[in-house]
Amino acid sequence: GEDVEQSLFLSVREGDSSVINCTYTDSSSTYLYWYKQEPGAGLQLLTYIFSNMDMKQDQRLTVLLNKKDKHLSLRIADTQTGDSAIYFCAESIDNTDKLIFGTGTRLQVFP
Amino acid sequence: DAGVIQSPRHEVTEMGQEVTLRCKPISGHDYLFWYRQTMMRGLELLIYFNNNVPIDDSGMPEDRFSAKMPNASFSNLKIQPSEPRDSAVYFCASSRSGPGELFFGEGSRLTVL
Repeated sequence: GEDVEQSLFLSVREGDSSVINCTYTDSSSTYLYWYKQEPGAGLQLLTYIFSNMDMKQDQRLTVLLNKKDKHLSLRIADTQTGDSAIYFCAESIDNTDKLIFGTGTRLQVFP
Repeated sequence: DAGVIQSPRHEVTEMGQEVTLRCKPISGHDYLFWYRQTMMRGLELLIYFNNNVPIDDSGMPEDRFSAKMPNASFSNLKIQPSEPRDSAVYFCASSRSGPGELFFGEGSRLTVL
């Protein structure tokens, strides 16, 4: 079935790197996504990666994809307090715009 | 440009009452999605539309839930009768055809007493 798993919490010190991990199930997903949800708001797309790529870098964000293990990670360099939020990975199902979201990882950044 | 607009932002109602949640997608977007977010179950896709036509409603919990999209600029999600276990934040999102960047509304927080 469709299942996207993430750890629930991550706590890091300001200035350190954060790594948020995700495992997914649909090997046919063309794209995999990272979304961010700030308190009281909807989700916002952070970045996405095409399935034939291993890595994508976008400023402080680095996405790594291991298709063999169906493992996706998001690294945030120089984490700031403004990065505190819930981060969701998502996969597209059957190459449609139907996105299935993971459980979300709550990132807490402390000074 | 206005984003996805949802109303009401908060709704408190009593068990058994009908609840209607509304959504105005971004103009020009072909897809509209309804998601429900709870602590226990995370973010669940309830139903989505393409060009106003329901494509997949397999996530709708039961017959008490219904959703319509009468035109490209409006959708509603109804729960009748509502139950306490329906308490959640309901999100509407829209997207153009493509790699799936969803634009989310701010959500409607529903509390059923």
